[in-house]
Amino acid sequence: QKEVEQDPGPLSVPEGAIVSLNCTYSNSAFQYFMWYRQYSRKGPELLMYTYSSGNKEDGRFTAQVDKSSKYISLFIRDSQPSDSATYLCAMSSILTGGGNKLTFGTGTQLKVEL
Amino acid sequence: EPEVTQTPSHQVTQMGQEVILRCVPISNHLYFYWYRQILGQKVEFLVSFYNNEISEKSEIFDDQFSVERPDGSNFTLKIRSTKLEDSAMYFCARRGAGGDSPLHFGNGTRLTVT
Repeated sequence: QKEVEQDPGPLSVPEGAIVSLNCTYSNSAFQYFMWYRQYSRKGPELLMYTYSSGNKEDGRFTAQVDKSSKYISLFIRDSQPSDSATYLCAMSSILTGGGNKLTFGTGTQLKVEL
Repeated sequence: EPEVTQTPSHQVTQMGQEVILRCVPISNHLYFYWYRQILGQKVEFLVSFYNNEISEKSEIFDDQFSVERPDGSNFTLKIRSTKLEDSAMYFCARRGAGGDSPLHFGNGTRLTVT
């Protein structure tokens, strides 16, 4: 079983839709969870960061963590064509002090169409 | 704009040659990281560097790789004798302020080994 699983997509939605992106993980040591957005030929850009179960909201983005199910989600409200990118989940264990050695998912390619 | 600048943006080299990839943080940070992403694959951890020493490295980071911060500013990744399978995007990252902070990535160097 892979440490982090993420559906690669592609996921295509109409402008204005609510997008749901998900990752599952198997390593219960993971305590810190991040979502990055990656445009083609660019570096990962940090969107959301959380270390507790529950929801965290920032503008149109909501990150959700369920540690009991080992499942994390990113919701994008009112999606825009500029949101078209690859979304990477990443996580790290408390043993590495958080934010150090990240384990990434494969990324989900999102396309928001006009 | 990313908080670290990487040079060059694209490097083409022949198999067996040495390459040096550079990372220049915009502000003074102590924690640095190198990650790589082979085309179509996950972002993978290579090495973390703190206070001029390697603090952790992955099994990918074998003897052909080295890191240093020669002038107290630039942070470099050297690949001594490149192989075809070293072709990838290489990302430098720095850690945010605070004890458990997420990573911020540069835009990467695309290395092509022919």
